[in-house]
Amino acid sequence: EIVLTQSPGTLALSPGERATLSCRASQSVSRSYLAWYQQKPGQAPRLLIYGTSSRATGIPDRFSGGGSGTDFSLTISRLEPEDFAVYYCQQYGSSLWTFGQGTKVEIK
Amino acid sequence: EVLLVESGGGLIQPGGSLRLSCAASGFTVSSNYMTWVRQAPGKGPEWVSIIYTGGTTSYADSVKGRFTISRDNSKNTLYLQMNSLRAEDTAVYYCARLGPTNAFDMWGRGTMVTVSS
Repeated sequence: EIVLTQSPGTLALSPGERATLSCRASQSVSRSYLAWYQQKPGQAPRLLIYGTSSRATGIPDRFSGGGSGTDFSLTISRLEPEDFAVYYCQQYGSSLWTFGQGTKVEIK
Repeated sequence: EVLLVESGGGLIQPGGSLRLSCAASGFTVSSNYMTWVRQAPGKGPEWVSIIYTGGTTSYADSVKGRFTISRDNSKNTLYLQMNSLRAEDTAVYYCARLGPTNAFDMWGRGTMVTVSS
């Protein structure tokens, strides 16, 4: 099973600032099968990015993803008030789907 | 409107059984790969089970032999039968559609399952 480790655990930033979130895999992950989700309290996760860098329907272009192999990242270019939430990375490999433990982006 | 609505959660004693339902609207369950994903309080999501369009199923090791995923095509509904429940099964259970790039592209709002005596 591929384990995903996200860092940092918490990111304290102000609106308008740039956020960079990291996701490191215990083994190489196909770029086609790395995704990112946003989750707000009391809500289900929402797909933001699939295939490492493709934005899901309706996701604004301030969200971007990148990386390869074992290191992937999610960047939010300028934080809007509605972006403060928890973010999870997720991968598929060997018939298993696994998620990271999450990064919380909170208001500084 | 495309929607997934889960039901059937609640408080259950260890060793008990529960059946979760997920009613879909706006798309056909049997034409999609459908999954159950759970999230324990304060933790990241955990994939639980999948049913493919052909009916083949697969499970996480943590629930294999205890949980069964199924669907009723006439009702456009997904199910999760959970037996021999343990405290560590306590979580919000979501049904989710798996997209073509193995990302979960649609989620229900979830139903809470609490296993406690």
